[in-house]
Amino acid sequence: DARVTQTPRDKVTEMGQEVTMRCQPILGHNTVFWYRQTMMQGLELLAYFRNRAPLDDSGMPKDRFSAEMPDATLATLKIQPSEPRDSAVYFCASAHWPQLQQGYVQETQYFGPGTRLLVL
Amino acid sequence: AQSVAQPEDQVNVAEGNPLTVKCTYSVSGNPYLFWYVQYPNRGLQFLLKYITGDNLVKGSYGFEAEFNKSQTSFHLKKPSALVSDSALYFCAVRDQAGRRALTFGSGTRLQVQP
Repeated sequence: DARVTQTPRDKVTEMGQEVTMRCQPILGHNTVFWYRQTMMQGLELLAYFRNRAPLDDSGMPKDRFSAEMPDATLATLKIQPSEPRDSAVYFCASAHWPQLQQGYVQETQYFGPGTRLLVL
Repeated sequence: AQSVAQPEDQVNVAEGNPLTVKCTYSVSGNPYLFWYVQYPNRGLQFLLKYITGDNLVKGSYGFEAEFNKSQTSFHLKKPSALVSDSALYFCAVRDQAGRRALTFGSGTRLQVQP
C-alpha cells in the first residue's frame, strides 16, 4: 500500500531554532505539495514542485522558509529561524502529474500524516 | 482564479439519517472537483473526484457527490450516516486546463450523533 511518509511526526523546538521537515512521496509521483494547517487559517498551500522544480512557492514566507527536492524521493521544508507563529501541522502531498498532448493533467493528491510543529 | 466555498462550518446529523455537506466552486474553465476527509490527528484522505462524465460520483465509505454545473456545486452526500463518519471534510477544485494546484475549502466538520 503506497503512502506518503513524513518525518518527524512531532517536533517541539524553541524560537530561533532551525526546523527541517522531510517528506517521501509515493514512488512514481512527480509532484510534491507542502501545506500548513492551523485552526485560524485552515489549510494553506505553501509550495509545490513538479519533477523536482518549484512551480509555485508564493504561499511561503520567503524570509524564513525554504523548500527543496534534493532527489525524486525526498522533499524538505526548512524554517530558519522558527517563530511561535509557525506552530502548525505541516502536510506533504504527492501526485502524478504527467504532461500530455492536451496539456497538464494533474492526478489525485495523496497526503502524508503530517508533522505537528510547536515552537515555544 | 479558482475558489471553493463550504458555507457550513459544522453539520450535525443523527446516525442513520442522510447527510449532505455543501460545496460551491468557481473556476474559469471546466473543473476538477475533489472531496477529502480528515480524521483527528491524521492527514487528508481522498474520498472521491469528478473529472468528466456522469454527474453522480461514487466514492469510498458509501459517499457520493453530485456535480451540478448550472449551480456550480459539488455537494457530498451519504444515504445513512454512521458515527464513524464524524470528521472534517474538505472540498477542493482546480481548473482542468491549468497548471495550478488544488484550491481547498475551509472545511466542514461533520458530527454524527448516535
